[in-house]
Amino acid sequence: QSALTQPPSASGSPGQSVTISCTGTSSDVGAYKYVSWYQHHPGKAPKLMIYEVTERPSGVPDRFSGSKSGNTASLIVSGLQAEDEADYYCSSHAGSHVLFGGGTKLTVL
Amino acid sequence: QLHLQESGPGLVKPSETLSLTCTVSGGSISSSSHHWAWVRQPPGKGLEWIGSIYYSGNTYYKPSLKSRVTISVDTSKNQFSLKLNSVTAADTAVYYCAREKESAATDWGQGTLVTVSS
Repeated sequence: QSALTQPPSASGSPGQSVTISCTGTSSDVGAYKYVSWYQHHPGKAPKLMIYEVTERPSGVPDRFSGSKSGNTASLIVSGLQAEDEADYYCSSHAGSHVLFGGGTKLTVL
Repeated sequence: QLHLQESGPGLVKPSETLSLTCTVSGGSISSSSHHWAWVRQPPGKGLEWIGSIYYSGNTYYKPSLKSRVTISVDTSKNQFSLKLNSVTAADTAVYYCAREKESAATDWGQGTLVTVSS
């Protein structure tokens, strides 16, 4: 039950698109549609951005989208804005528990 | 508007038991659609799911913490609690409580820092 694998960092200029990957196994990401993405600004509570691979909670801009192929899920942030700079975490249902990724620090250049 | 608030000691001695409570307001902890979870973040590290509970009392724990963790629910007080025993410095973290639906944490408390130190 290792953590899901995310790149430690990602970056892009305002207006550009960035994709953050989240790699698991056939026992977690590959097995279930229950993959979520969270935005976390230091000192604040994490915020759910994507659930069930592709769904956006009310109030989350449609610049944020999700996808999955096999054991890898992805978060796509298009039209980057300065306020998107934050840590992003994926998570996945893994049978009897939930796994988080190690987190990706997104920098808006 | 759902609100979750963590409470408990901010300092725990090594080998002792960490105890936290999450008070839920603006919604019922007896919801059949949700689980109630604990997540932590050690300083400088990522988020770690600890476990969750259903209002009926069914619990789910991270396998590597299972031997030390107990999560319980008190529906009469609209609260759920975390106990983590035999703590070490590695358990120092910001602890969050959250409401989950289908393994997605939709609502979070603000978090509380618990330091393990003598």
